[in-house]
Amino acid sequence: DGGITQSPKYLFRKEGQNVTLSCEQNLNHDAMYWYRQDPGQGLRLIYYSQIVNDFQKGDIAEGYSVSREKKESFPLTVTSAQKNPTAFYLCASSGPDRTNSNQPQHFGDGTRLSIL
Amino acid sequence: AQSVAQPEDQVNVAEGNPLTVKCTYSVSGNPYLFWYVQYPNRGLQFLLKYITGDNLVKGSYGFEAEFNKSQTSFHLKKPSALVSDSALYFCAVRGVRRALTFGSGTRLQVQP
Repeated sequence: DGGITQSPKYLFRKEGQNVTLSCEQNLNHDAMYWYRQDPGQGLRLIYYSQIVNDFQKGDIAEGYSVSREKKESFPLTVTSAQKNPTAFYLCASSGPDRTNSNQPQHFGDGTRLSIL
Repeated sequence: AQSVAQPEDQVNVAEGNPLTVKCTYSVSGNPYLFWYVQYPNRGLQFLLKYITGDNLVKGSYGFEAEFNKSQTSFHLKKPSALVSDSALYFCAVRGVRRALTFGSGTRLQVQP
């Protein structure tokens, strides 16, 4: 079945360490997104990519970096500059819009990042 | 900039009763609105969307939503709630970047 796979499901980061969250999709979608979910705050956009080799900052990009070298992959790196990285991270993708129809985003099952 | 408000942190209903989860939005231009559901430690599942056309949108699992332009609302409804509907529900509006702006979420608790 087509879908989005995020790994690992749980991740622990030590102080000063960079960690990378994986996101892979086999839906042949051009657009991919990273969101951060904190309790009571909904989801906030970190980075997004509309096409391979191009990506844009979202609302809370500081302390994060991404790459988009392949259509199916959009890894997120949480750097040591991100002082409060404990959260649930969700990756999403969407296909091209059709006439009078905006395509919904499909989500992975998330990675929960905690600080040791 | 667009925004979404979900005024209720939690909604409690008895099984078999109708349910409503409220959402209001603010956006310039035509709104593209979505409802998603999230179960514990899972990603979001798409329920329904409003793009244009009928103000009553039908979606998955018996859910529907009513778009009201004058009140800038997009409330989620279901005629008869199930215990299995208990979850976290998010309303979202799509922006010019095609990314979504989400409300803070409403926890639906259906009592047997």
